[in-house]
Amino acid sequence: AQSVTQLGSHVSVSEGALVLLRCNYSSSVPPYLFWYVQYPNQGLQLLLKYTSAATLVKGINGFEAEFKKSETSFHLTKPSAHMSDAAEYFCAVTGTSYGKLTFGQGTILTVHP
Amino acid sequence: DTEVTQTPKHLVMGMTNKKSLKCEQHMGHRAMYWYKQKAKKPPELMFVYSYEKLSINESVPSRFSPECPNSSLLNLHLHALQPEDSALYLCASRGQGYEQYFGPGTRLTVT
Repeated sequence: AQSVTQLGSHVSVSEGALVLLRCNYSSSVPPYLFWYVQYPNQGLQLLLKYTSAATLVKGINGFEAEFKKSETSFHLTKPSAHMSDAAEYFCAVTGTSYGKLTFGQGTILTVHP
Repeated sequence: DTEVTQTPKHLVMGMTNKKSLKCEQHMGHRAMYWYKQKAKKPPELMFVYSYEKLSINESVPSRFSPECPNSSLLNLHLHALQPEDSALYLCASRGQGYEQYFGPGTRLTVT
């Protein structure tokens, strides 16, 4: 079984500041981990994925995430926030043959000018 | 191209109506998914199709009926829905790295 915990349902940063969104996972099998972004009234867009290759994963829009097995974490970071980064972010894990995704509860990122 | 398309974008239906949602992908993916998403919540899995066969039904009420006519198309037939079924319905297909690509969704309102 898999589970995901996203610490902080709301994160607020200033434009140009570091973005850090936290994700911890639990998985009984080697996990595949993902970060998705969702803008209002839209579908989910894949930001990046970890599939057991490099532990530091680079994604789109300047985001990256580091897989830390010892901490069971997969935190999402971006060095400098932009206003267009304001959205909801979901961390997800899968380990099943049908690829069933288990999502965290989501973190709403607000970016202040 | 990693595009999944969904139609219609918005749908308003009465509780006695029958309607269908459509999803299409041309990435050659052999697994496709239907999710339901309520406001301020993550998506909830409804159905999984693998190689055009229904593989997972997450105990979804029978008023939702999925169909996979071919490897590129996925339909969700709706009948006798309840107001609590109002939500964003998302379709996704799965790539080789287990990542899922989502469509823009259909915003469903049941009156």
